[in-house]
Amino acid sequence: DVKVTQSSRYLVKRTGEKVFLECVQDMDHENMFWYRQDPGLGLRLIYFSYDVKMKEKGDIPEGYSVSREKKERFSLILESASTNQTSMYLCASSLNPSGGYGYTFGSGTRLTVV
Amino acid sequence: AQSVAQPEDQVNVAEGNPLTVKCTYSVSGNPYLFWYVQYPNRGLQFLLKYITGDNLVKGSYGFEAEFNKSQTSFHLKKPSALVSDSALYFCAVRDGGSSNTGKLIFGQGTTLQVKP
Repeated sequence: DVKVTQSSRYLVKRTGEKVFLECVQDMDHENMFWYRQDPGLGLRLIYFSYDVKMKEKGDIPEGYSVSREKKERFSLILESASTNQTSMYLCASSLNPSGGYGYTFGSGTRLTVV
Repeated sequence: AQSVAQPEDQVNVAEGNPLTVKCTYSVSGNPYLFWYVQYPNRGLQFLLKYITGDNLVKGSYGFEAEFNKSQTSFHLKKPSALVSDSALYFCAVRDGGSSNTGKLIFGQGTTLQVKP
């Protein structure tokens, strides 16, 4: 069964900490994505990557960075966590889009910044 | 600009009754359309998609969706709702302007509540 694995289901961090959210997929997918999900706002794209060492900003990249050193791993970094970054974070991956493929999602990481 | 709208924040239906969750979209070219479901504190699960072909698409758990090009809609339907269908549903459309990323644009989500 294909999988996208997010390293933590729940995290609690302090304001100002540097936070790493890890995502690993075992499907050899080219594309990987990080979203945050907030009530009433749906899913908002933070960053995405369509190849190793490639990254592009999504709709809300401020306060975040990403790293993709290997094809299977896409990390989201909160440089200095703030309370307004408390949210559910979802990682997803997909194949080359020309075939009309959708996403496979991880289970999510619920981050609380105190 | 591409967009997706789910006009209802919540849909309430009695168990055994048919259900519809609405979705309309706007894209520049031909749309690739998707429905996902999310159970509490979980990631999103794929339900079904429309790429081309028959306008009525069948998916997981007895769900289906009808693509209507003239109304730019892709409503999710099920003939007989179950209490276990209660969840958050997202419609998504492929961003036709992204040539090599397949970035999906998601609606705001609709909470489906099925009462016994």
